[in-house]
Amino acid sequence: DAGVIQSPRHEVTEMGQEVTLRCKPISGHNSLFWYRQTMMRGLELLIYFNNNVPIDDSGMPEDRFSAKMPNASFSTLKIQPSEPRDSAVYFCASSLGGTQPQHFGDGTRLSIL
Amino acid sequence: DQQVKQNSPSLSVQEGRISILNCDYTNSMFDYFLWYKKYPAEGPTFLISISSIKDKNEDGRFTVFLNKSAKHLSLHIVPSQPGDSAVYFCAANGGKLTFGTGTRLTIIP
Repeated sequence: DAGVIQSPRHEVTEMGQEVTLRCKPISGHNSLFWYRQTMMRGLELLIYFNNNVPIDDSGMPEDRFSAKMPNASFSTLKIQPSEPRDSAVYFCASSLGGTQPQHFGDGTRLSIL
Repeated sequence: DQQVKQNSPSLSVQEGRISILNCDYTNSMFDYFLWYKKYPAEGPTFLISISSIKDKNEDGRFTVFLNKSAKHLSLHIVPSQPGDSAVYFCAANGGKLTFGTGTRLTIIP
């Protein structure tokens, strides 16, 4: 079975550009999560969706970040405009909800120059 | 304010011996705890979990212990194998997952 699929795996872009990260959750999972991993802050939750509805976006660092989930099989995390401090690995995860474990994609390594 | 702490950034263990990874938390509202394992360039992979109503859960070579009064949990791996070399994250569920900063485990052949 396919796991969580993220694209692109790597993204290098210049400061000020728009960046869009994509995620396809595991089929049948109704919860989707976006995380950011940095050396300083570790793995931190940015936002999560339940049944395509954003439930908690308190981890989104600022208005430059936005996330959407137009349907059960696709989500995007957008940064506009991007800044060097946004450089990190971004993970998407999905689960069946409740206490069911989250399954992670392999991440997108983002570098903003 | 780190609610989940893994105070050992790294740990080296001889192959065949027991590996013990520790995790402390501060929020008594956490009701479910999980351990994840992460290899380089991959996402974290779920390993084992424990509910706050239990004090032990075992799955093969992996056992998680929970001490609620001390707000402490540990992961025991026995016997340790070279393929266990990875970064291990503990996570606590209080409505959403809060992760520790990870412990890099190296198994020495």
